[in-house]
Amino acid sequence: SQQGEEDPQALSIQEGENATMNCSYKTSINNLQWYRQNSGRGLVHLILIRSNEREKHSGRLRVTLDTSKKSSSLLITASRAADTASYFCATEDGSARQLTFGSGTQLTVLP
Amino acid sequence: DAGVIQSPRHEVTEMGQEVTLRCKPISGHNSLFWYRQTMMRGLELLIYFNNNVPIDDSGMPEDRFSAKMPNASFSTLKIQPSEPRDSAVYFCATRGRGSSYNEQFFGPGTRLTVL
Repeated sequence: SQQGEEDPQALSIQEGENATMNCSYKTSINNLQWYRQNSGRGLVHLILIRSNEREKHSGRLRVTLDTSKKSSSLLITASRAADTASYFCATEDGSARQLTFGSGTQLTVLP
Repeated sequence: DAGVIQSPRHEVTEMGQEVTLRCKPISGHNSLFWYRQTMMRGLELLIYFNNNVPIDDSGMPEDRFSAKMPNASFSTLKIQPSEPRDSAVYFCATRGRGSSYNEQFFGPGTRLTVL
């Protein structure tokens, strides 16, 4: 079963607006990662947040992590049409260092 | 660096045929992962190698699936015999050596269609 579940499944916004995607998970984690997938391509790593961190920034990306609620959010500010893609959260847990991916959010940014 | 290389990019085959998917990891990466992506089940981990040794193959759906990593530069995922429900995009991903490396690098995927 999927460890991470994303919400919403699909999001459509206008260019320039902010996009927020949420991820919930079930077990204790070492870190949580966000990946992006353009149509027909492989996944690309965006940002990682460790279990002892609460917030992290990278360019127009802001990630938060609430381990008490087992949830994370990804905020993309000032969105662009080129941000149109699917976004996945992935959790790394325990010593196995494997990733378990969520079901993804399909983001469409309209020009 | 060329990144993770997968071949073929597309494969169309008939039910019952053997299918072999190939992956060349990024040089120096010692962890390799095979995933399957479908609309119904999302992205699933099939098998994970560390230093060429299979660590966890619990995601391999059936005995029809097998994976090998004979050396640090090459891995294969084989399906024999293939079935229509195996149709999916198969990704190979690799990760660098050491606990400070967490990011996985994905190949472009192989789109498999079994008729």
